[in-house]
Amino acid sequence: GESVGLHLPTLSVQEGDNSIINCAYSNSASDYFIWYKQESGKGPQFIIDIRSNMDKRQGQRVTVLLNKTVKHLSLQIAATQPGDSAVYFCAENNAGGTSYGKLTFGQGTILTVHP
Amino acid sequence: GAVVSQHPSRVICKSGTSVKIECRSLDFQATTMFWYRQFPKKSLMLMATSNEGSKATYEQGVEKDKFLINHASLTLSTLTVTSAHPEDSSFYICSARTGGVYNSPLHFGNGTRLTVT
Repeated sequence: GESVGLHLPTLSVQEGDNSIINCAYSNSASDYFIWYKQESGKGPQFIIDIRSNMDKRQGQRVTVLLNKTVKHLSLQIAATQPGDSAVYFCAENNAGGTSYGKLTFGQGTILTVHP
Repeated sequence: GAVVSQHPSRVICKSGTSVKIECRSLDFQATTMFWYRQFPKKSLMLMATSNEGSKATYEQGVEKDKFLINHASLTLSTLTVTSAHPEDSSFYICSARTGGVYNSPLHFGNGTRLTVT
């Protein structure tokens, strides 16, 4: 079946560096994408989203880039801080049919920020 | 602040017993809620879609008689794990949207850690 996956399962960076977390998706019908942060023992926390009619969206210290041509999504975190250490998931919203409104999650990337 | 509240956060039960997990939307009505399951160091897997006033929709491979879902009001969905076994031990997380599909993401509760002994 179609799924969302991540290229890198772990990422270690130094405090203050920029982080880039990548995600590949295979469902060309997906039209809405979300990045979540999950800390240990907690539920996923919304970071930023993007619709398929956009290729870039910026938030506070975070930027999401969408490349529909190669079905690739990335999350950029500027000036990474120790508090950013967590697991990051991309998720895609399945458009239409019986999958309408459901989110499919990618594998996840463990981000570790060293002080 | 949290928009979705889940209870309990942790539960330990004996094999063969049933456990009920509650998911509440805070300050908004949710006609649809989603239940996910997550194993350690793994991603979230959608189990079922909970629909207020009607039957839940289960994903392929999820036993509806094992995981009973009731969405009796616009702010409450419950997941009951019946006749629990050790392999049911997992992290169960519910979610809901505050708005429509294309103008709001899913907000998640803080999950319930179920341990079956």
